[in-house]
Order: sequence, then structure tokens, then C-alpha cells
Amino acid sequence: AQKVTQAQTEISVVEKEDVTLDCVYETRDTTYYLFWYKQPPSGELVFLIRRNSFDEQNEISGRYSWNFQKSTSSFNFTITASQVVDSAVYFCALSAGGGADGLTFGKGTHLIIQP
Amino acid sequence: NAGVTQTPKFRILKIGQSMTLQCAQDMNHNYMYWYRQDPGMGLKLIYYSVGAGITDKGEVPNGYNVSRSTTEDFPLRLELAAPSQTSVYFCASSYSFGQGNEQYFGPGTRLTVT
Repeated sequence: AQKVTQAQTEISVVEKEDVTLDCVYETRDTTYYLFWYKQPPSGELVFLIRRNSFDEQNEISGRYSWNFQKSTSSFNFTITASQVVDSAVYFCALSAGGGADGLTFGKGTHLIIQP
Repeated sequence: NAGVTQTPKFRILKIGQSMTLQCAQDMNHNYMYWYRQDPGMGLKLIYYSVGAGITDKGEVPNGYNVSRSTTEDFPLRLELAAPSQTSVYFCASSYSFGQGNEQYFGPGTRLTVT
């Protein structure tokens, strides 16, 4: 069975601060994929990134960066110089098992960026 | 492309009523999924399908049924609605393999059962 834990239920920071969202996953599979999705107040789910288990390179996309560490089963997400528009719920998700049986989501971290 | 579309956007049901949530995608994806999202929780998989005529249960299938007669459509049926089914329902699709392929999500259907 797979499991994704996002221990931070809610984070509040002031605009321009850096913030890191934690994600810890559990799976027995050696091949798996990790995802981050953003859910803004409007409710839709926005895909941010996918990372496979064989690629531990960190990734940077503008103000967003992701740190994947298999040794600690973590896939953390950092927003640099946060903006009010970053306020949303962020979900980490895992796909494993070799089949098509969907994503296992964490409970999400509600990020509040105060002006 | 419209992507993944869902109808209706909102619905209020009375206990014991039935309804069908519609989901369609125009990306020729083989894999489709239904999730539910309860307040303060992540999404949980209800049912999924790997192609027309093939469906399987996810983590929380009780109280729901699905069918997949075409590649494009994947309706979710609620029989005898219960308050526990109050939730936001998301439909998603992905290309060839469920694992590793980005899932494209619809806008969601907010359902209230009273």
C-alpha cells in the first residue's frame, strides 16, 4: 500500500518570504512517480510537477523548486519570494504499483501568503 | 481541446435520490478516474477505467457505480444518496499508462446531500 504524508496542515507567511512544503511518501515499489498539484481558492487542480523514482535531480522552475531525496522518502517543494497569488492548498501525490490505479494523495497543506 | 469537462458544477440531492455525474474528455485518453475530496482532505479514488468496457474499484467505491461505453465518457452514478456522499467530485484522465502520466483534472462537481 502507498501512503503520502503532508504533516503541515497550514502555513502562513508574509509575502516575499521563502516557504517549504514537506512531503513524505511510503511505497514498496521501486518504480514510482511523485506529483505536486496546486488547488487555488477557485477549486480546480493545477499540475505543477512530476518526478520519477529514478531521477533524483532537483528541479527549479522560476520561483518554484523541488527537492527529491529517496534516502528520506521525501519530495519537498519550496517557493522562493512568495506572492499572494501563491495562496492555495498544495497536494503531494504518489503513483506506484505498476498499474493504472490512480494517485494516492496527501491531505494537503494550506498555504496562506499575507501581504 | 476542452480537456476534461464535468457536469453539473453544483447539485443538491435529498437523501435517497439518485443522480449521474457526467465526465467527458476529448484528449483520446485511455485512462479515466473518479475521485472525491472531503473538506480538509486529499482526494480519494472511487473508480477508475483503463479503457472502454473496463472499470475497477478504487479506495472508496461503496455507494457508487460507473460505466465506460466510450473512450470519451465516464459517468459516475450515485444510487440512494446519503449525507456521507456530500463531497466535491473530480474526474481525471491520463494518456496511456496510469502510472507516471500526468492526470488532467476536470473542474469538479460540488454535491450536497441533505
